[in-house]
Amino acid sequence: GQNIDQPTEMTATEGAIVQINCTYQTSGFNGLFWYQQHAGEAPTFLSYNVLDGLEEKGRFSSFLSRSKGYSYLLLKELQMKDSASYLCAVTNGDYKLSFGAGTTVTVRA
Amino acid sequence: IAGITQAPTSQILAAGRRMTLRCTQDMRHNAMYWYRQDLGLGLRLIHYSNTAGTTGKGEVPDGYSVSRANTDDFPLTLASAVPSQTSVYFCASSDRGDSTDTQYFGPGTRLTVL
Repeated sequence: GQNIDQPTEMTATEGAIVQINCTYQTSGFNGLFWYQQHAGEAPTFLSYNVLDGLEEKGRFSSFLSRSKGYSYLLLKELQMKDSASYLCAVTNGDYKLSFGAGTTVTVRA
Repeated sequence: IAGITQAPTSQILAAGRRMTLRCTQDMRHNAMYWYRQDLGLGLRLIHYSNTAGTTGKGEVPDGYSVSRANTDDFPLTLASAVPSQTSVYFCASSDRGDSTDTQYFGPGTRLTVL
């Protein structure tokens, strides 16, 4: 089975940086996804990591350490529109994604 | 480009009634999925289909059934709804159906069972 942990809520100021951590325990591992979900909307894909290291996409970066069962999503230069839930999801190679409960990020002016 | 559509957008249903949630994708993706999302629990997989004609059980399949008669449609049926099935239901699809593939989500159906 899968066990995925991420903080419930985080608050940050516009223009700042926020790091959302995700730890996981899995019987097999085939990659980790981050999705963004605005309130009342569908989740949308942000990033996918399968190898150790940092992947950068504009203001968003995602890091993975397979040996530690750890990932983080880094949001830089925060904007009000970044207020959303961020979902960490792990895949173990059997066509199934297991999601964490999500981290709600609130960006304040 | 529609992507994935779901119907209805929301529904209030009496316990014991039968309900089918519809999901259609126009991306010709092989794999489709149904999730439910509950506060504090995140998204949980109900059923999935790797390709037309095949289906499989996810983490929480009890009380739900699916069919995949063609590539585009993947309806979810609640045979006899119960209040614990009150949730937001998301349909998703992915191109290849392997575990490394990005899933694309529909807008969701908010279901309330009274």
